[in-house]
Amino acid sequence: EVQLVESGGAVVKPGGSLTLSCAASGFIFSSFSMNWVRQPPGKGLEWISSINHGRPTENYADSVWGRFTISRDDAAKTLYLHMRSLTVDDTAVYYCVRDRATVVADSWGQGTLVTVAS
Amino acid sequence: AIQMTQFPSSLSASVGDRVTITCRASQAIRNDLGWYQQRPGKAPKVLISAASMLQSGVPSRFSGSGSGTLFTLTIDSLQPEDFATYYCLQDYNYPRTFGQGTKVEF
Repeated sequence: EVQLVESGGAVVKPGGSLTLSCAASGFIFSSFSMNWVRQPPGKGLEWISSINHGRPTENYADSVWGRFTISRDDAAKTLYLHMRSLTVDDTAVYYCVRDRATVVADSWGQGTLVTVAS
Repeated sequence: AIQMTQFPSSLSASVGDRVTITCRASQAIRNDLGWYQQRPGKAPKVLISAASMLQSGVPSRFSGSGSGTLFTLTIDSLQPEDFATYYCLQDYNYPRTFGQGTKVEF
């Protein structure tokens, strides 16, 4: 069974930094592209970053470009999101999401809440 | 970035109704579009990929159609468990973009 378990969500002050982790199990992590998607409280979904498998390339939404970095450790089967210069607009539930070959976002974690507040 | 305009933003329906949700892309995206269902307090779940491919385990009352710039999700004979919020997502290029969501309510 595919499992994606996010961790690292916390309350952070504006301007602060935080790293989220996503532990993957139940599939060959190194063979799949991965994403982070976020959802502010009571609002819609926003794709924020992807990293493919193999020779990883990264993509970012404009809203996080230059502040967030996605990375992966295939040996540890873990996806990361390194976040810095956080603002109140970054407050959201952050989901770790897998892409299957022909199915984008086929598996989702349960999400981890990041709150940016003074 | 490609803009995905989804409508309506909400709709009221009853069990047994046929419901149609539409997404319009700001440029042609072939059939690179998925539909997702999100129940309150839960993570989204993929229903349809590549505009019309029903995912394993998803009831056949869900169907998707369209290509280019206009896409629809149809739910035939709405069931109680279908009251949720639905999103489209384009994966034609980066940045990927979601529609604003459609909340299906009683």
